[in-house]
This record gives sequence, structure tokens and C-alpha cells, in this order.
Amino acid sequence: GQNIDQPTEMTATEGAIVQINCTYQTSGFNGLFWYQQHAGEAPTFLSYNVLDGLEEKGRFSSFLSRSKGYSYLLLKELQMKDSASYLCAVMDSNYQLIWGAGTKLIIKP
Amino acid sequence: IAGITQAPTSQILAAGRRMTLRCTQDMRHNAMYWYRQDLGLGLRLIHYSNTAGTTGKGEVPDGYSVSRANTDDFPLTLASAVPSQTSVYFCASSGTSGDTGELFFGEGSRLTVL
Repeated sequence: GQNIDQPTEMTATEGAIVQINCTYQTSGFNGLFWYQQHAGEAPTFLSYNVLDGLEEKGRFSSFLSRSKGYSYLLLKELQMKDSASYLCAVMDSNYQLIWGAGTKLIIKP
Repeated sequence: IAGITQAPTSQILAAGRRMTLRCTQDMRHNAMYWYRQDLGLGLRLIHYSNTAGTTGKGEVPDGYSVSRANTDDFPLTLASAVPSQTSVYFCASSGTSGDTGELFFGEGSRLTVL
């Protein structure tokens, strides 16, 4: 079956760096997405990786290793507003998105 | 409006009743999707439409139906609601189908079936 694994919850301190991991097993691969979802709100797009390596976008970076079925989202200079759930999703060979359950990130002052 | 709009935002419904969740987008996106989100689970695709006039079944289609009469609207109907359909429902759209376009989500419809 298809599976996306990410930690349920993580805690970090304001101003610090946090890495949220995502491992996947899917039938085919056409890219990996990260979305941010604040409590009670809709998910919003953060990043997309289809080739191995690191994609940097401001304070957020996303890494992909297709051979390991692994990605991480790196958040630097954490701010209180970064408290949210972070959803990892993989597009399979049928171009359908398979979603992880999300990682709830708690930022403490 | 700008983006994707869902209605209602919240609804309490008696089991057995019929309910339609509305979704409208003004971005002229071809592809539209309905997801449900339950605690501890990832978003699960209910139905999708790659273009006006076509629809397809997702991972959890039973008990739901959709239609896509035009580009902008993609309503989701629960013919006879059951408590297990209590969930938060998100409508989403993307500019391309079968490609790598990001999804744009509506604000969600929280449905409680008693």
C-alpha cells in the first residue's frame, strides 16, 4: 500500500531551527509537496520538490532524496506564527496526491 | 470573490438528511477536488474533476456524489448523511490536472452528523 509517515507533533523554541521529516512509500513518484495548515484554516502551499536536493525559499527549505523515499522541511528563525501543522504529500504515478497525517509544530517563547 | 469559496462553513445535520456542500472558484482552474480531513488522518480524496463535464472517484467516494456542470462550481452531495461523515470538508482547485500544480483550498466546511 501507499504510505506517508511524519511525526505527529514537535516542539521548538522561538528563534531556533526545526526539521520536520517525511518518509514515503508510493506507487511511483511525481513530486513531493509541503503545505502549512494553521488550526481551523485551510492548507496553504509551501514547497514542491521533484528532483533530489534542497530548495530554499526564505526561512523555509525543503529537501528530497528519491532513492531514500525521504524529505524534510527545515524552518529557520522560528516565529510564533509558525505554530501550525505541516502536511507532506506525494504525487503518485497516477498524479494523485497521497497525504501524510501532518506534523503539529508547537513554538514556545 | 477571489479564490475558492465554500458554503456553508459549518452545519449540524440529522442522520438520513440530504446535504449539499457548495464550492465555487473564480480562478478558471480546470481541476477541482473534494477532500475530507479527520483527526489523525491525512487528507482523503472523495471525488475530483479534471475539467468541466467530467468527474472521478477518489479514495473514499461512497455516500458522496459530485457534479461539474461548469468550470467554476463543484458541489458535493451527501444523499443520506451518516455519523461517520462527520468531518471537515475541503474543496480545492489547481490550474492543471495530472500535473504538478499546487492546490488552492477553500476555507473548509465543518459538518456534524447526529
